[in-house]
Amino acid sequence: AQKITQTQPGMFVQEKEAVTLDCTYDTSDPSYGLFWYKQPSSGEMIFLIYQGSYDQQNATEGRYSLNFQKARKSANLVISASQLGDSAMYFCAMREGESARQLTFGSGTQLTVLP
Amino acid sequence: SQTIHQWPATLVQPVGSPLSLECTVEGTSNPNLYWYRQAAGRGLQLLFYSVGIGQISSEVPQNLSASRPQDRQFILSSKKLLLSDSGFYLCAWSAGTGVNQPQHFGDGTRLSIL
Repeated sequence: AQKITQTQPGMFVQEKEAVTLDCTYDTSDPSYGLFWYKQPSSGEMIFLIYQGSYDQQNATEGRYSLNFQKARKSANLVISASQLGDSAMYFCAMREGESARQLTFGSGTQLTVLP
Repeated sequence: SQTIHQWPATLVQPVGSPLSLECTVEGTSNPNLYWYRQAAGRGLQLLFYSVGIGQISSEVPQNLSASRPQDRQFILSSKKLLLSDSGFYLCAWSAGTGVNQPQHFGDGTRLSIL
């Protein structure tokens, strides 16, 4: 079974509007971390936001917020007031267990912001 | 602040040739280091990780190898490249292995095998 599932291969949003990118995850470990990364066409992976499994509140970082629904095992990224520079591939990733080594990545969502 | 440098940015190599990609981290001590490969339009696959000098763990058996000769230096190598080695290679570091530690990535190397 997929550990991280991103069901939206591509998304379009109008500039200045909000957009939600979906991510569901699968783990039996009670301790885990969820991360979102942005990958522009230039290729670098940029860390955006983190949510821990024990966090009581949804994470926020500037225009990025995470809609964390633990019972549903979903961690959707919300980008408010979209900008043209937000056009990129977005990856959801998970780290399981306190001694976790690797990040497990989803397949990504290509976001295009329209002027 | 911490920075990660990865080079070269682009590389074109013939089948059967050797490979050496280098990654260095500045501004931190004893980082965890990682090599990932990303196929076109796909997510990242972990190849190797290291928690200290000379300590390398391999996630995917293949003709690639990794070495960590210094605390903040991580090298990805191959003696003979295959066509299937083409891809985008990313080096990353993290401050530890806890679930709350993000990994920070270099700019990547686009490797094309001819």
